[in-house]
Amino acid sequence: NAGVTQTPKFRVLKTGQSMTLLCAQDMNHEYMYWYRQDPGMGLRLIHYSVGEGTTAKGEVPDGYNVSRLKKQNFLLGLESAAPSQTSVYFCASSSSQGNNQPQHFGDGTRLSIL
Amino acid sequence: KNQVEQSPQSLIILEGKNCTLQCNYTVSPFSNLRWYKQDTGRGPVSLTIMTFSENTKSNGRYTATLDADTKQSSLHITASQLSDSASYICVFPAEGGSQGNLIFGKGTKLSVKP
Repeated sequence: NAGVTQTPKFRVLKTGQSMTLLCAQDMNHEYMYWYRQDPGMGLRLIHYSVGEGTTAKGEVPDGYNVSRLKKQNFLLGLESAAPSQTSVYFCASSSSQGNNQPQHFGDGTRLSIL
Repeated sequence: KNQVEQSPQSLIILEGKNCTLQCNYTVSPFSNLRWYKQDTGRGPVSLTIMTFSENTKSNGRYTATLDADTKQSSLHITASQLSDSASYICVFPAEGGSQGNLIFGKGTKLSVKP
């Protein structure tokens, strides 16, 4: 069972470069999320989606864009990378059936901005 | 402001011993409380989800308790194993149950030594 798959696993960028992180889930989940995890802090929500074609802002959306063109995929874009965006990025998905559904996480993308 | 505080920050125990991790919260209202386990270099994995009406919930050697009066939750690990070495994160939905936004604690890093 693949679950939630994130690509790439590691990436180093220079300031000002752009890139897209890909998240794919095979559980037919309606909801998908992008988080960032920084040392000494809890995971923080960047953007999320409650269904194909929908997106919404989370706690820390500035500098990021997202798209959910297909139900199974959720893309996170950095248009002009900044050193402050150096972090570990996690994607997650969950079922829409009720509020007590666990989120299933990928294993993260480690991104360094030089 | 909704907050989640976990203690201790880190803990070292010997294999076979029990331990209890604490979570204090100010989130209100809330519909459920979640505990996640995060192995180093991996994404978080759901251990348990407790609703407001539940006092205790077990998942194998993991038992979570909830005291809504004191706004405290604890995660008790029985007969610890080396594989229990991980960070344990306490999580609440931020908007009274919405899956769109979760508040993550900073986690307790548990090290189990042989």
